[in-house]
Amino acid sequence: GEDVEQSLFLSVREGDSSVINCTYTDSSSTYLYWYKQEPGAGLQLLTYIFSNMDMKQDQRLTVLLNKKDKHLSLRIADTQTGDSAIYFCAVLSYNTDKLIFGTGTRLQVFP
Amino acid sequence: EAGVTQFPSHSVIEKGQTVTLRCDPISGHDNLYWYRRVMGKEIKFLLHFVKESKQDESGMPNNRFLAERTGGTYSTLKVQPAELEDSGVYFCASSQEGRGTYEQYFGPGTRLTVT
Repeated sequence: GEDVEQSLFLSVREGDSSVINCTYTDSSSTYLYWYKQEPGAGLQLLTYIFSNMDMKQDQRLTVLLNKKDKHLSLRIADTQTGDSAIYFCAVLSYNTDKLIFGTGTRLQVFP
Repeated sequence: EAGVTQFPSHSVIEKGQTVTLRCDPISGHDNLYWYRRVMGKEIKFLLHFVKESKQDESGMPNNRFLAERTGGTYSTLKVQPAELEDSGVYFCASSQEGRGTYEQYFGPGTRLTVT
């Protein structure tokens, strides 16, 4: 079945860029997502990219997609302490509406 | 516009008891989904409603779980009888029909603890 993998932890200094990586197995995935979960809160849809795109930028967020390597990344520029959260990568399973999630990457931002 | 809401936020029950979780989707969203995250693992799909019909229930773990969406508005997820391995966070999400299907908006989740 489909599988989505992420590293568990990332620690960065405030003001630096953060890059969270994700790999997936289903080459027919049409949409790929990044969700953010802050402590005690639900999942916030941050951004998503359609599979025919290589890059999408939205303010401090840049999503890069390498379809050949089945690799998705989220870059956060000028990382702030408020960006500390768990970031989930997810792909839309082919021909269904169900999201396949990774285990989440916990981003810790220190001053 | 109100987001997806879930009730209760936390529930602690004993093994063998019954628990019912509720989800209110964003108004006008025909699609409603249930997911859960168990023991810090990945978030897994449980099922998908389109209005009051079950479109996909391939992720339901067993027949102790019953989901309903009478009238196509709010949904309930009942676990009966609860087992220890059912502990986790249960998320509900909703999306619009058509192109909006690709944007699933999640609620805050219900943390279920079975002791």
